Amino acid sequence: AIQMTQSPSSLSASVGDRVTITCRASQGIRNDLGWYQQKPGKAPKLLIYAASSLQSGVPSRFSGSGSGTDFTLTISSLQPEDFATYYCLQDYNYPRTFGQGTKLEIK
Amino acid sequence: EVQLVESGGGLVKPGGSLRLSCAASGFTFSSYSMNWVRQAPGKGLEWVSSISSSSSYIYYADSVKGRFTISRDNAKNSLYLQMNSLRAEDTAVYYCARDLIVEGFDPWGQGTLVTVSS
Repeated sequence: AIQMTQSPSSLSASVGDRVTITCRASQGIRNDLGWYQQKPGKAPKLLIYAASSLQSGVPSRFSGSGSGTDFTLTISSLQPEDFATYYCLQDYNYPRTFGQGTKLEIK
Repeated sequence: EVQLVESGGGLVKPGGSLRLSCAASGFTFSSYSMNWVRQAPGKGLEWVSSISSSSSYIYYADSVKGRFTISRDNAKNSLYLQMNSLRAEDTAVYYCARDLIVEGFDPWGQGTLVTVSS
C-alpha cells in the first residue's frame, strides 16, 4: 500500500498568515491526490483534486501543487474559518490512503 | 442538491453484526463509484471500501477484508456496508462518499457512529 506522510501534524498560525502543508507519497502517484478539510463534528470537504485543481465553490486562497511524490497545500491568507484539520488522499490506486492529518490551530 | 445520508449505526457487542446504509439523492447514483471511509474517535480518516458503478469492481482495506461486504442497489439509489465479526477497533464514524475517480471524493454524508463494546 502507498504510504502518505503528511507534515506537520499540527501547526499554529494567525489570521492573515500564509500556510503550507506537505504530503509525501511512498511511490509516485502522478497527480492523483486530493486535499480535504474537516472541522470538528463535521464530514470532510473536498478542497483540491488532481493535486492542483480547485473544487467548485472553494475560495481561491486555497491552492495545491506537486506531482509524483511531493505535494503541497497552500492557504495564502488564513481566515478564521480555515482553522480545521487537513488531510491528503491518494486516488492513484487501491487501497486508497490518507495522510495522518494536519491540525491547523489559531496562534 | 447532491446529498448522501447514512443510517444504521449503533451499539453492538464484539463479534456482532451491523448493516449501514447510505441513501443518495440529487445525482445519477448508478453512474458513480462509491466509498466508505471511517474515523475512529479522535483519529484520522481511514478508507474502508469502494464499489464501482455496476458493482463489477470492489476493493477493501486489509483491516476489514473478509469481515465487511460493500454492496449497492442502483434501483434504490442506495449503498450498503454489511459489517460482521465486529471488533472494538471498528468503533468509528462511518462516512459514505461519492467517488469522482481522479477528481476526488465529493460529497460526503454526515456520518453514522458505530460503537463496538460489551
